[in-house]
Amino acid sequence: GQQLNQSPQSMFIQEGEDVSMNCTSSSIFNTWLWYKQEPGEGPVLLIALYKAGELTSNGRLTAQFGITRKDSFLNISASIPSDVGIYFCAGTMDSNYQLIWGAGTKLIIKP
Amino acid sequence: GAGVSQTPSNKVTEKGKYVELRCDPISGHTALYWYRQSLGQGPEFLIYFQGTGAADDSGLPNDRFFAVRPEGSVSTLKIQRTERGDSAVYLCASSLRDPPGELFFGEGSRLTVL
Repeated sequence: GQQLNQSPQSMFIQEGEDVSMNCTSSSIFNTWLWYKQEPGEGPVLLIALYKAGELTSNGRLTAQFGITRKDSFLNISASIPSDVGIYFCAGTMDSNYQLIWGAGTKLIIKP
Repeated sequence: GAGVSQTPSNKVTEKGKYVELRCDPISGHTALYWYRQSLGQGPEFLIYFQGTGAADDSGLPNDRFFAVRPEGSVSTLKIQRTERGDSAVYLCASSLRDPPGELFFGEGSRLTVL
């Protein structure tokens, strides 16, 4: 079963608002990744994090690898309509290459 | 195309039938992964190939599931005696290198078992 707790499960926001979502685990992770998935598509990698404390940006997206290595967050600034979709966190533990996935955060932008 | 290609995009079959799902990874990517995704869930790992060999098949749910990658490029996921619970989107991903996670996914094959 999944070992990542991702929240919130869904978000209804106004265009232009900032968005924040996070993933937590009781286990230590070596890698944190954030993906976005749109209907009928496979997940697309947004940001990859490899070091505790690492803060990385990709345009309006910013993600951080928590210092404890048990959490990560993703922020989206000034949301736009094309940001809608499901955002997944994923990570690897120890030296295992298997990705463990959160259940996703569904982002909906109110017109 | 430049991305990961999966066929068929949709497959409807009857319980008990045999199904093959194909994945054509990005050229030059040595690592290939199969995942299964149910509605409202994140992808679930099935099997990982490095080159032609299955480096890890621990995610395959039972012996009805099998995957091959005979020439280190295209892979086929095979499901025997399909059950209704096998209905899901089967995603294939490839990557150029370690570390894992920088996976490039195909659009998936949606399997419906009636």
